Amino acid sequence: QSALTQPASVSGSPGQSITISCTGTSSDVGGYNYVSWYQQHPGKAPKLMIYDVSNRPSGVSNRFSGSKSGNTASLTISGLQAEDEADYYCCSYTSSSTWVFGGGTKLTVL
Amino acid sequence: QLQLQESGPGLVKPSETLSLTCTVSGGSISSSSYYWGWIRQPPGKGLEWIGSIYYSGSTYYNPSLKSRVTISADTSKNQFSLKLSSVTAADTAVYYCARRGWRAGRWFDPWGQGTLVTVSS
Repeated sequence: QSALTQPASVSGSPGQSITISCTGTSSDVGGYNYVSWYQQHPGKAPKLMIYDVSNRPSGVSNRFSGSKSGNTASLTISGLQAEDEADYYCCSYTSSSTWVFGGGTKLTVL
Repeated sequence: QLQLQESGPGLVKPSETLSLTCTVSGGSISSSSYYWGWIRQPPGKGLEWIGSIYYSGSTYYNPSLKSRVTISADTSKNQFSLKLSSVTAADTAVYYCARRGWRAGRWFDPWGQGTLVTVSS
């Protein structure tokens, strides 16, 4: 199984909005509403931010939102804050009953 | 509050078997609502799903690792384990264990803090 495709890096200024894309195939992202997003700060374990495409776990800021169109899922962060600077990974269920992650996107807050 | 903690050797020799255990506290791995999984991250690289296990013993593995991976569970100790055989330097990574949602959403949460395993002679 091939990793989902994410941009290597994105950046934005405080207060702005950014969107990170996650492209797969009809066998993973496009075939199921089981896309999740994780935030990882350096040296820390990943943290769940979005699950099932657009659901936010309790305790996660409503500045984080998710969506999907076709084979591409997206994570949007609005009102960018310094603490949002981290690596972000998408993850999808696949038709083989397995899970595949994206390559990761480094978010820089300028 | 559910917590997961990985444990095992931090150094494994090439061709040997990597063995890690994840101890779960604050919840039971016998719950029918969750799977339990292993994910790894080579230094400076992205995340890779290794496999998952259900309390019944059903397992699912990454096809690229399937021939070398075994995940098992010990419900009496509330632990699940990972064995990866014939390791090479490419298996050097931080290994995480995590709970995987099933009935109410599909996600990995929470994660253990991770443990670095280095493959070197």
